[in-house]
Amino acid sequence: NAGVTQTPKFRVLKTGQSMTLLCAQDMNHEYMYWYRQDPGMGLRLIHYSVGEGTTAKGEVPDGYNVSRLKKQNFLLGLESAAPSQTSVYFCASSLGTSNQETQYFGPGTRLLVL
Amino acid sequence: AQKVTQAQTEISVVEKEDVTLDCVYETRDTTYYLFWYKQPPSGELVFLIRRNSFDEQNEISGRYSWNFQKSTSSFNFTITASQVVDSAVYFCALKTLGDDMRFGAGTRLTVKP
Repeated sequence: NAGVTQTPKFRVLKTGQSMTLLCAQDMNHEYMYWYRQDPGMGLRLIHYSVGEGTTAKGEVPDGYNVSRLKKQNFLLGLESAAPSQTSVYFCASSLGTSNQETQYFGPGTRLLVL
Repeated sequence: AQKVTQAQTEISVVEKEDVTLDCVYETRDTTYYLFWYKQPPSGELVFLIRRNSFDEQNEISGRYSWNFQKSTSSFNFTITASQVVDSAVYFCALKTLGDDMRFGAGTRLTVKP
């Protein structure tokens, strides 16, 4: 099992450009999440999904959109990138709906917006 | 509101020293889960442990141990006989029913040879 994978690993964008980050998991997990990690702030939840075809907002959703067309994939989109979106983005997944479920993380995507 | 505080921003120790990473949490819920993750220099987040609010037993896994005390709302992590490979950023996190996972800001541990 590859676990949680993320594509790309690193990307540089100019302000106003758009891009999509791809997250894939092969663990048959129901829940998937997108976080951003900024220095001194830990991880903050952007959006999450509790199943195929569903998405919900997290703590910092503005400027991002997501889609979960297939259970194993969770896409994070930036329609018009801004320098404030320079960050490291982590995708995670967890097994089910129980509150106790452990989240397993991908390797991260480092995004630089100029 | 749920909150996790890791007051130690950076810790530096010499190999073989013991080190404790502090984690203090805030929640009004009686059912919650606490986690520790490790982020080595390579950048990925590695799950270390999960604890539920009804289980205050301390846990030991090799050189790692965790001390959960509800009376002080703390879930501290101790590494015994630290090694260079323990150098990483360590995150404590809290999950309650109906709320997102809340992470602390992380503690950067440097273990020098």
